[in-house]
Amino acid sequence: EAEVAQSPRYKITEKSQAVAFWCDPISGHATLYWYRQILGQGPELLVQFQDESVVDDSQLPKDRFSAERLKGVDSTLKIQPAELGDSAMYLCASSLDRASYGYTFGSGTRLTVV
Amino acid sequence: SQQGEEDPQALSIQEGENATMNCSYKTSINNLQWYRQNSGRGLVHLILIRSNEREKHSGRLRVTLDTSKKSSSLLITASRAADTASYFCATALTGANNLFFGTGTRLTVIP
Repeated sequence: EAEVAQSPRYKITEKSQAVAFWCDPISGHATLYWYRQILGQGPELLVQFQDESVVDDSQLPKDRFSAERLKGVDSTLKIQPAELGDSAMYLCASSLDRASYGYTFGSGTRLTVV
Repeated sequence: SQQGEEDPQALSIQEGENATMNCSYKTSINNLQWYRQNSGRGLVHLILIRSNEREKHSGRLRVTLDTSKKSSSLLITASRAADTASYFCATALTGANNLFFGTGTRLTVIP
């Protein structure tokens, strides 16, 4: 069964350092999402791509977060500088066509900022 | 901000019993989806119900949708210990391109 690949699985970084997460969606899925999930809460959207274009980044803290999806395939989410409050699970998901179909999520990256 | 609210926040039942979780939302939707999340893992899509549907079944899962009350319920029949997880409802709002997730129900099935 096709999966969304994410790496690393866990990341511990010191505050003020840079950190990057990678995601490879299911082949053929045009839409890619990055969500952040704080422990005990539901996921919240950070950024949405349709192919290589950003569709929604209204909740992305652009002073420190950036995301790209070059060539419309895999994607990278970067935080620079990391803050203590960024500790969370970062989830990548993809879908055939926006929210008309179910999402397939990766296993996530658990980020701890110390 | 969360668009959906699940109720209850936590539910503990014996294996073999049925589990019912409810979701309420605030605005008009295209569809509503349910996901399961095992501890420390990603979410798994369970079922999607469109706004013009009232009920859907998938194996031991039954989902209902009442758009007049802006609510949905997920029923898991004959629960198993492996059903222990958090369950989230997610709404695809009319005119929006992405899903908004609720706060989740933590289900514990006791063997």
